[in-house]
Amino acid sequence: QKEVEQDPGPLSVPEGAIVSLNCTYSNSAFQYFMWYRQYSRKGPELLMYTYSSGNKEDGRFTAQVDKSSKYISLFIRDSQPSDSATYLCASRGTPGSIKAAGNKLTFGGGTRVLVKP
Amino acid sequence: DTGVSQDPRHKITKRGQNVTFRCDPISEHNRLYWYRQTLGQGPEFLTYFQNEAQLEKSRLLSDRFSAERPKGSFSTLEIQRTEQGDSAMYLCASSKRQGQDGYTFGSGTRLTVV
Repeated sequence: QKEVEQDPGPLSVPEGAIVSLNCTYSNSAFQYFMWYRQYSRKGPELLMYTYSSGNKEDGRFTAQVDKSSKYISLFIRDSQPSDSATYLCASRGTPGSIKAAGNKLTFGGGTRVLVKP
Repeated sequence: DTGVSQDPRHKITKRGQNVTFRCDPISEHNRLYWYRQTLGQGPEFLTYFQNEAQLEKSRLLSDRFSAERPKGSFSTLEIQRTEQGDSAMYLCASSKRQGQDGYTFGSGTRLTVV
């Protein structure tokens, strides 16, 4: 079992709809949670960065972390065709701790999103 | 500085050949990471440098793989005696020392072993 799991999709939504993406993780040492967007044949681009449980909002993007259930979410409001991409969640532990996987990001497999005009 | 730069963008090589990739991180970032990504999968951690010191290596990094960061600036990843299973996107990322932030990734080097 992978430490971070994502539904691979594809997730297809009409333009303007809310995109809802989820991840689960198993390592209780994870403290930092990130969402990356990756276009085809490009490197991942950081969208959201959160520490511990709670919500964070940035423009059309909202990230939620529930450490009690080890559940990570990303919501994209007013979706646009340019949001069509693969979305990767990633987690890591305390920096400097190898045991807590603090020196590396552990990624989910990614969810492919298609926003149709 | 516009970001993390990787060279080459694409590399096609014959099985058994050696290949070397280069990564130039963001100049003020002391930490540098190499990841590998295969089609339809998320990136997998290979190794991590803080300045010139290689502090962690994944078990994915077999003896045929070696990474260096000789002066704490750019890094190279070499694969010796390439195999078809090495075909993947090799991603480099950097972050600030003691940073509580996400990593900045380069656009990657796509390796095809034929």
